[in-house]
Amino acid sequence: GAVVSQHPSWVICKSGTSVKIECRSLDFQATTMFWYRQFPKQSLMLMATSNEGSKATYEQGVEKDKFLINHASLTLSTLTVTSAHPEDSSFYICRGQGGADTQYFGPGTRLTVL
Amino acid sequence: GENVEQHPSTLSVQEGDSAVIKCTYSDSASNYFPWYKQELGKGPQLIIDIRSNVGEKKDQRIAVTLNKTAKHFSLHITETQPEDSAVYFCAASTGAGGTSYGKLTFGQGTILTVHP
Repeated sequence: GAVVSQHPSWVICKSGTSVKIECRSLDFQATTMFWYRQFPKQSLMLMATSNEGSKATYEQGVEKDKFLINHASLTLSTLTVTSAHPEDSSFYICRGQGGADTQYFGPGTRLTVL
Repeated sequence: GENVEQHPSTLSVQEGDSAVIKCTYSDSASNYFPWYKQELGKGPQLIIDIRSNVGEKKDQRIAVTLNKTAKHFSLHITETQPEDSAVYFCAASTGAGGTSYGKLTFGQGTILTVHP
């Protein structure tokens, strides 16, 4: 079946640095990519929605200058956490949506900011 | 906006028993209701979904029922096995149609533990 991959699966960085997370749809074209954040023992919170070739739409309360989303192709979307701080530590998950009956979550990326 | 409430937050059953998780939603325009299973440290995996034009859907040991009038839907797992232990999330979307699943609003999650 279709697979969405994320890289890296986990990352540890120092406070103030930037981290890029890649999300790839391996055998389908993801016209829309959703990015979620999940804190321990909590539900998934939508951060932003991006359509290929367009600017992302951010949810209320999500800083677009801090969480940069790029969806330059139908198989790749990236989330860059700029100037990361400890409170940005979380599990980041993408969800790719393509044609009819095609939507898959990625395996997630665990970000720890020291 | 849409609000999805999920109960219970934790559920413990013996192997072989049935498990039922319930969700209610607020937006009567919601038309797509998926259920996801999430294992520790992994992304959610779709296990079953239902659209608003259907009242019930079954896939082997898993079934979902939808009551549009009451705005609630439920996940039923029969003959539970230890490997069913995970966190289960319900979700609702108002954008489903054609090729779109729309923006999902998730419930709070249910930790299911199946004891051998």
